[in-house]
Amino acid sequence: QVTLRESGPALVKPTQTLTLTCTFSGFSLTTSGICVTWVRQSPGKALEWLALIDWDGDKFYSTSLKTRLTVSKGTSRNQVVLTMTNVDPADTATYYCTRVPRYYGMDVWGPGTTVTVSS
Amino acid sequence: EIVLTQSPATLSVSPGERAALSCRASQSVNTNLAWYQQKLGQAPRLLIYAVSTRATGIPARFSGSGSGTEFTLTISSLQSEDFAVYYCQQYNNWPTYTFGQGTKLEIK
Repeated sequence: QVTLRESGPALVKPTQTLTLTCTFSGFSLTTSGICVTWVRQSPGKALEWLALIDWDGDKFYSTSLKTRLTVSKGTSRNQVVLTMTNVDPADTATYYCTRVPRYYGMDVWGPGTTVTVSS
Repeated sequence: EIVLTQSPATLSVSPGERAALSCRASQSVNTNLAWYQQKLGQAPRLLIYAVSTRATGIPARFSGSGSGTEFTLTISSLQSEDFAVYYCQQYNNWPTYTFGQGTKLEIK
C-alpha cells in the first residue's frame, strides 16, 4: 500500500524558513519514472504545484517560486524535504506531497499539513 | 505557462442527473490532462489521467473526453458522494504542472 504523510511546523513567522518533510512508504523513489511532488492550497483557493523531485534526484520548480524553494531527498530513503525561504502570510496554506509516475496523474496524496504564517 | 480555465465555477445538478464539467487550455496539452476530485477537508483524489483513463478504483460513471485544448469530465448519474470540487491539471510540459481554478459541483 502506497502512503505519504507530510510533517512540519503549524506556525512560522514572516521571513523565516519553512521546512516540510514528506515520509512515504510502499514505493521507492529510485524506481525509474517515479517522482514526488509538492502541491499547496491556500484557504478557499485552487491547487498550486510547487516542486518535483524525480527518481534520478533531478529537481524542478514552479517558475513563480523557484527562487525560494528547495526540494531534496531526506536523510532516510523514504523521505523528501521541501524548504521555502522568506515566508510571507501569503504562504499560509495546506501543503501536500504526492507520488506521481512520469506522464501520469498524481496518484497518491498525503493528507496535507496546514501551515500558518503569522507574527 | 499553460493556463487552464474551468467552467462553470459552480454547477448545480440534482442527484441522478448527468454533469459535464469543462476545462480549456490556453494552448494544446495533447492528451496530458488529468482530473481530480476534492471533498471538503480532504486531499484531492485522482480520477482520470491521459484525458480518459480512469484511475484505480474510480467508478465507471466518471468519464473524460477531449483533445488539444478542450476537455470534459462527465459524471453520468450523480451520487450524493460526487458533490465536491473538481480540478483539471495539465502535465504536457512535464515535469511542470498547472491546475485549473476548480468547479464546485453542488446539489440542486
